[in-house]
Amino acid sequence: GAVVSQHPSRVICKSGTSVKIECRSLDFQATTMFWYRQFPKQSLMLMATSNEGSKATYEQGVEKDKFLINHASLTLSTLTVTSAHPEDSSFYICSVEELAGAHYNEQFFGPGTRLTVL
Amino acid sequence: AQSVTQLGSHVSVSEGALVLLRCNYSSSVPPYLFWYVQYPNQGLQLLLKYTSAATLVKGINGFEAEFKKSETSFHLTKPSAHMSDAAEYFCAVSDRSNTGKLIFGQGTTLQVKP
Repeated sequence: GAVVSQHPSRVICKSGTSVKIECRSLDFQATTMFWYRQFPKQSLMLMATSNEGSKATYEQGVEKDKFLINHASLTLSTLTVTSAHPEDSSFYICSVEELAGAHYNEQFFGPGTRLTVL
Repeated sequence: AQSVTQLGSHVSVSEGALVLLRCNYSSSVPPYLFWYVQYPNQGLQLLLKYTSAATLVKGINGFEAEFKKSETSFHLTKPSAHMSDAAEYFCAVSDRSNTGKLIFGQGTTLQVKP
């Protein structure tokens, strides 16, 4: 399956600053990537679907202007948390979608990025 | 709408004992179902998946799961727990559309006691 990396693995920033998280598909050209956030001891919540060459599709309740997603190439999607606040502190995980069968796709996950906003 | 419920947020077993993690799903269409494992501060690793072929699915690390349509269940089992199995486990359902979205259960923490 696809190998996915994320950078940075952890970041600490001051409130009000912006942080960019990169998600790279190392061995597969991904037209679709997903971004999730995970609070401590909780499940993954899908934030948005990132589509190469087009606008991301955001889940209900996710602020588009706060969580900017750019999928400029088939191997890179970026998530920018703008004007970060402490409540944005979370574990952000991306995944790459790869066709696995005639009717279903499989997701391969990155290692995650721990964001702490002071 | 699809959903997944994992019964038991925390399961504790002794090393060598049977592992049983429960997952029930709700779906208006035949589902695709997945089990993932997550170790601390890491991403998710696929353990196994059900995609409408055999109902008994074998995965990595000795895990297996059985799809039971009548019970809307997809429980994860392993005959003999190992210390390295201690982790967070997530059951997920795919909506089978072109979006490929995954809907995750709440997760179950597996503790393995020596």
